[in-house]
Amino acid sequence: RKEVEQDPGPFNVPEGATVAFNCTYSNSASQSFFWYRQDCRKEPKLLMSVYSSGNEDGRFTAQLNRASQYISLLIRDSKLSDSATYLCVVNNGMDSSYKLIFGSGTRLLVRP
Amino acid sequence: NAGVTQTPKFRVLKTGQSMTLLCAQDMNHEYMYWYRQDPGMGLRLIHYSVGEGTTAKGEVPDGYNVSRLKKQNFLLGLESAAPSQTSVYFCASSGTVDSFRYEQYFGPGTRLTVT
Repeated sequence: RKEVEQDPGPFNVPEGATVAFNCTYSNSASQSFFWYRQDCRKEPKLLMSVYSSGNEDGRFTAQLNRASQYISLLIRDSKLSDSATYLCVVNNGMDSSYKLIFGSGTRLLVRP
Repeated sequence: NAGVTQTPKFRVLKTGQSMTLLCAQDMNHEYMYWYRQDPGMGLRLIHYSVGEGTTAKGEVPDGYNVSRLKKQNFLLGLESAAPSQTSVYFCASSGTVDSFRYEQYFGPGTRLTVT
């Protein structure tokens, strides 16, 4: 079983749509959670951290369910520029908490 | 403030040749990492460093060596390149002494082809 699992997609949605990505992780000791965005042939970039109480940044909302070991990302009013791969990331949670474990990513295509 | 930089951006090697990839960060981060990313696969950790003068093996260390002689630099070496090392290599850094923030910041990557 992968440590961080994501649906690979692609999710193909029209502009203005709402799209949700889900992710599950296996390490119950993980304490830090993130969503990264990776454009084609570019480096991953931090999109947002995910907090226990849930958090929002403009059109993006992230939620965490520790009991189910489940993380979600909601994108409202999708823009063409949101087309990218979204990586779910958790930290190792053991004595090497600085190590991050990356999911393989979910690809999003937003069409006009 | 350049963040994380990597050189070179592209390189083509013949089997058996050697090369060094350079990563530099200007954020005073303690931790630095080298990853490789292959099509259809996630990021895989090659080696990492928890501070100047330290290095440790990651998930896929075979065929690579690293050094961190200065806090801001992390070098990745391939002593005898193989076609299986054709990949995109990313360097990342994170964390300062007085924070427990684990988010990593990535360089733009090096595209390496071994023929």
